[in-house]
Amino acid sequence: QSALTQPRSVSGSPGQSVTISCTGTSSDVGGYNYVSWYQHHPGKAPKLMIHDVNERPSGVPDRFSGSKSGTTASLTISGLQAEDEANYYCCSYAGSTTWVFGGGTELTVL
Amino acid sequence: EVQLVESGGGLVQPGGSLRLSCAGSGFTFSRYNVHWVRQASGKGLEWLSYISPSSDLIGYADSVKGRFTISRDNAQNSLYLQMNNLRAEDTAVYYCARDQYWACDYWGQGTLVTVSS
Repeated sequence: QSALTQPRSVSGSPGQSVTISCTGTSSDVGGYNYVSWYQHHPGKAPKLMIHDVNERPSGVPDRFSGSKSGTTASLTISGLQAEDEANYYCCSYAGSTTWVFGGGTELTVL
Repeated sequence: EVQLVESGGGLVQPGGSLRLSCAGSGFTFSRYNVHWVRQASGKGLEWLSYISPSSDLIGYADSVKGRFTISRDNAQNSLYLQMNNLRAEDTAVYYCARDQYWACDYWGQGTLVTVSS
């Protein structure tokens, strides 16, 4: 149950696009299409942004999109806005009723 | 409105025990899987445990297996986490979360557990 690997930080200017990667193994990201992404502002509850690799829950802007290739999942945020500045975490089902999070990525909107 | 409210956090000495509770409302609690997730200060989210609606499926992270026990009482719309043999590294904010699509779609605000002498 090793944490998924995410870049510690990414940044972009308003209006630009950024992509956050999430690398796992064939036992988690590569083995299941149950990858989810969360936005977390400090002091608040995490918010689900993407589930099942690329599905957006109701209310999440379509600027947020997810994808997966092999053992790496990605979250892309297009048309960056100031309010997107937050920490982002990926999470994957890892089999046998266990899940694993990534280490988190701090997004800075310049 | 879906709500999850954690309680039971506090200061405990190393080796001690604590029981966290999570009260669900605004949805049919008995129909959903639920999770416990924690975040230590300055660290990332860490998945801890999962329980199915009828409690027949349960999972734990290796870091807490054998020390923590998840349970639920659907009649009380409540989720629990019994934490034994607590260590300093268990100090964190503990969240409960509802599961939809094998992801956590609603989260509580968290309860702080501090393990210190």
